[in-house]
Amino acid sequence: EVQLVESGGGLVMPGGSLRLSCAASGFTFSSYSMNWVRQAPGKGLEWVSSISSSGDYIYYADSVKGRFTMSRDNAKNSLYLQMNSLRAEDTAVFYCARSLSNWYRGFDFWGQGTLVTVSS
Amino acid sequence: QSALTQPASVSGSPGQSITISCTGTSSDVGRYNYVSWYQQHPGKAPKFMIYDVSNRPSGVSDRFSGSKSGNTASLTISGLQAEDEADYYCSSYRSSSTYVFGTGTKVTVL
Repeated sequence: EVQLVESGGGLVMPGGSLRLSCAASGFTFSSYSMNWVRQAPGKGLEWVSSISSSGDYIYYADSVKGRFTMSRDNAKNSLYLQMNSLRAEDTAVFYCARSLSNWYRGFDFWGQGTLVTVSS
Repeated sequence: QSALTQPASVSGSPGQSITISCTGTSSDVGRYNYVSWYQQHPGKAPKFMIYDVSNRPSGVSDRFSGSKSGNTASLTISGLQAEDEADYYCSSYRSSSTYVFGTGTKVTVL
């Protein structure tokens, strides 16, 4: 059974940093592109970032480019999102999601999400 | 990066069919056959419903179908059931290696 479990969310002050993690199990992690998608309270889904299976290619939404860094450790079956210079508008539930083969074809499995709150 | 446009809400009675539209541009929906659809119940993670415009992942009911014409993709739910009441989001690959979701549609079963 595919499982994705996010962690690392919490309350952080504007300008602060946070590192999210996603632990994957139930599939060959190193064979799949992975993604982060966020959802602000009461709002819609927003694509944040995607990473190829090897980690060689990483893509970001303009809203986070230069502030967020996505990475993965295939030996640990783990995905990460380093978030710096956080703003109030980054407040959201962050989901880790697996890609369907190519990263842009859709996201077939999702974690339950971790809440990030940016507030003073 | 502007979102794809969906109607805010769509409603129907049990047994009826409804269609949710998803309007993009020639840089996303109109150019690529990489449109996906997701169902999200309150407080839950999204569920993968449709990929590559019209394909259903295993386990998804055949009451759900997808299509595309020009810059607009559509999700049709036939034989509407109470459990279909949820938010629905489309998504698409967009030029320049980005990805975009729709604004979301709340489906109400009357």
